[in-house]
Amino acid sequence: AQSVAQPEDQVNVAEGNPLTVKCTYSVSGNPYLFWYVQYPNRGLQFLLKYITGDNLVKGSYGFEAEFNKSQTSFHLKKPSALVSDSALYFCAVRGGYNNNDMRFGAGTRLTVKP
Amino acid sequence: GAVVSQHPSRVICKSGTSVKIECRSLDFQATTMFWYRQFPKQSLMLMATSNEGSKATYEQGVEKDKFLINHASLTLSTLTVTSAHPEDSSFYICSAALTGGTDTQYFGPGTRLTVL
Repeated sequence: AQSVAQPEDQVNVAEGNPLTVKCTYSVSGNPYLFWYVQYPNRGLQFLLKYITGDNLVKGSYGFEAEFNKSQTSFHLKKPSALVSDSALYFCAVRGGYNNNDMRFGAGTRLTVKP
Repeated sequence: GAVVSQHPSRVICKSGTSVKIECRSLDFQATTMFWYRQFPKQSLMLMATSNEGSKATYEQGVEKDKFLINHASLTLSTLTVTSAHPEDSSFYICSAALTGGTDTQYFGPGTRLTVL
């Protein structure tokens, strides 16, 4: 069964600084990796995904993530953080083409301070 | 991007009553819909997967008679919490996907259920 880990409960960065939210995964077969963001009392918004192709994936709102197969990681990054980026971020993995299940990490709360 | 709606967004009910939550894909046909439950400050837990026209597949530990799921059409899935109790209070989120493969899951805004 697939699983994903987000080792940091909380990440704090200053506005304008680069940010990284970490994610590692475990899956048999080729991973399908996703990042979602959740604002208070709201559902999840899709940011980006890796299915195949370039290891660096660019997504919404200036976010990007790098797939690293050898380290089984899919860290989310942004070159310059905004206060409005403050939210809860979830990494998710789906294993295999016919696997409908998506497993989520525990979430990382990002706080960007002015 | 694809839009998924949920109704109601918030519901308060008395213990013992049943509550129905609707999940609709507004601009695409969803072969598969998923129901998740999220406790405060925790991640999403998959409850069940429903495919249009067939019975839902429930995750281990989720009571299928307690959480009734119907996926009657390619744009609508419903979750009915039967005989709700205070411990059923939670944030319920649905998602929809075209197929199970590479297609992205698009999430609804969630429904906050409070059982008194």
